[in-house]
Amino acid sequence: QKEVEQDPGPLSVPEGAIVSLNCTYSNSAFQYFMWYRQYSRKGPELLMYTYSSGNKEDGRFTAQVDKSSKYISLFIRDSQPSDSATYLCAMLLQGGSEKLVFGKGTKLTVNP
Amino acid sequence: DVKVTQSSRYLVKRTGEKVFLECVQDMDHENMFWYRQDPGLGLRLIYFSYDVKMKEKGDIPEGYSVSREKKERFSLILESASTNQTSMYLCASKSRGRPEAFFGQGTRLTVV
Repeated sequence: QKEVEQDPGPLSVPEGAIVSLNCTYSNSAFQYFMWYRQYSRKGPELLMYTYSSGNKEDGRFTAQVDKSSKYISLFIRDSQPSDSATYLCAMLLQGGSEKLVFGKGTKLTVNP
Repeated sequence: DVKVTQSSRYLVKRTGEKVFLECVQDMDHENMFWYRQDPGLGLRLIYFSYDVKMKEKGDIPEGYSVSREKKERFSLILESASTNQTSMYLCASKSRGRPEAFFGQGTRLTVV
């Protein structure tokens, strides 16, 4: 079983839709949960991160962590064509390895 | 803003050539990483450096070496380039104990 699983998609939605992106993980010791956005032919950029469980909101983006289910989500409200990108989840132990563990990414297309 | 700069966006090299990919960060981060990214395989860690002159193998170090003589600079070396090393190469840096990793814009390497 891979440490982090992420559905690669592709996911195609109409403009204005609510998008839900998800990852599951197996290592219960992960404490930091990150979401990166990667546009085509560019490097990933950090969208947001959460520590331990709970929600975090930043504009149209909401990150959720459910540690009991080992499941994290990124919700995008009122999706825009400019949100079209690959979204990668990443996780990190606290006080342990400095190496992030990444999902393989979900490719999202928002159609105008 | 954190800046991670990779020396080239696109490179074309011949089989058997020695190839140097350079990465510079300007935020005094202790940790630096080299990944390659291929369709369907996600980000795979090649090498990691946690301090000057210190390095650790990642998941796919074969055919690669690294050098970190100064804190801000991390070089990836392909000793004898092969066609199966055609890929997108991404450098990242991260402060010790912090979850956020910052990526460069990537180098698309083609080996012919």
